[in-house]
Amino acid sequence: EAGVAQSPRYKIIEKRQSVAFWCNPISGHATLYWYQQILGQGPKLLIQFQNNGVVDDSQLPKDRFSAERLKGVDSTLKIQPAKLEDSAVYLCASSLVGREEFFGPGTRLTVL
Amino acid sequence: QKEVEQDPGPLSVPEGAIVSLNCTYSNSAFQYFMWYRQYSRKGPELLMYTYSSGNKEDGRFTAQVDKSSKYISLFIRDSQPSDSATYLCAIMKTSYDKVIFGPGTSLSVIP
Repeated sequence: EAGVAQSPRYKIIEKRQSVAFWCNPISGHATLYWYQQILGQGPKLLIQFQNNGVVDDSQLPKDRFSAERLKGVDSTLKIQPAKLEDSAVYLCASSLVGREEFFGPGTRLTVL
Repeated sequence: QKEVEQDPGPLSVPEGAIVSLNCTYSNSAFQYFMWYRQYSRKGPELLMYTYSSGNKEDGRFTAQVDKSSKYISLFIRDSQPSDSATYLCAIMKTSYDKVIFGPGTSLSVIP
């Protein structure tokens, strides 16, 4: 079974630029999550989708972050404009409803 | 007060040692307790999953939950160099709730 795919794996941008991350979940997984993991911290949930509806986006900085899940499958997370403090690993995870989350390898973002 | 706290380490032990990793949490409403392992430049993977208080064993790994003191532990017996990773404790109120992660403890097992 293929795992969660993410791209790109690494991204370096200047502050105030825009960036987008892509996630392809495990086939059949209705729930998709985006997490932010700052160095030395645990992952923090940014947004949770069930199919293509948002379940929880309470910790998403909506003035600069946006996310969508197209047709309940792939998802993109966008940051516009980026700040220095957005430097982190962005992890995508997917699961069956109420079951174990499976994580992708993450996208490491550096904002200069 | 953070919802879940964990010693960041780093923790360095010789191969074969028993490792004890610990977390505390602040809200007695949490019912589900997990341990994730995260290798460098990888996503976390679920290692152990426990509901309510008690012990759960899986091979060399034992997870222990004491809800009365809001304390969760992971023990690794006969530690191996392949156990070198960051260990994240995590909590949930229900199986449909969001997962809240601790900051992780970095473990190195020296051959």
